[in-house]
Amino acid sequence: NAGVTQTPKFQVLKTGQSMTLQCAQDMNHEYMSWYRQDPGMGLRLIHYSVGAGITDQGEVPNGYNVSRSTTEDFPLRLLSAAPSQTSVYFCASTPNNPYEQYFGPGTRLTVT
Amino acid sequence: AQSVTQPDIHITVSEGASLELRCNYSYGATPYLFWYVQSPGQGLQLLLKYFSGDTLVQGIKGFEAEFKRSQSSFNLRKPSVHWSDAAEYFCAVGAQGGSEKLVFGKGTKLTVNP
Repeated sequence: NAGVTQTPKFQVLKTGQSMTLQCAQDMNHEYMSWYRQDPGMGLRLIHYSVGAGITDQGEVPNGYNVSRSTTEDFPLRLLSAAPSQTSVYFCASTPNNPYEQYFGPGTRLTVT
Repeated sequence: AQSVTQPDIHITVSEGASLELRCNYSYGATPYLFWYVQSPGQGLQLLLKYFSGDTLVQGIKGFEAEFKRSQSSFNLRKPSVHWSDAAEYFCAVGAQGGSEKLVFGKGTKLTVNP
């Protein structure tokens, strides 16, 4: 199993550009989530999904969209990038509740 | 809403010394609690978790944590720190009683002196 994979590893965007951060897992986990990590802030939940076709907002959802058309994939879309979205983004999955979350390696995004 | 407080932003210990990292949470019922470790430039690795039962939890790399309901705490301990333990440590609680959404503390950075 590859576990949780994220692409790209690094990305630089200009303000106003859009892009999609990819996340995939091959463990058949029902739950998936996106977090952003900023210095001194820990990780904060952006969006999460409890199954294909079901998504919900987390603590910091503004400026981000998600969809979950398959169990395996959970892409995060930035509609119009802003410098405040410069961060490291982590995707995670978990099979059920309660269970630990498995994290991907992260995507470092810089918006100029 | 749930919250997690890690009071120490940065801790420095000498190699071989004991370590305790503090974590306090706010949640009305029995929480799901986690400790994760992050080495520089890396992802998060689970050290240990608490769901129910025995309040002293053993994890990987010689770490343990104790759940104390009366103090709303879940402190991480290690009897003898190794230089390779230098990293950032995050405590997390399952939001709203679940584990599909985690609320993280802001982290404690550990420096280990030779």
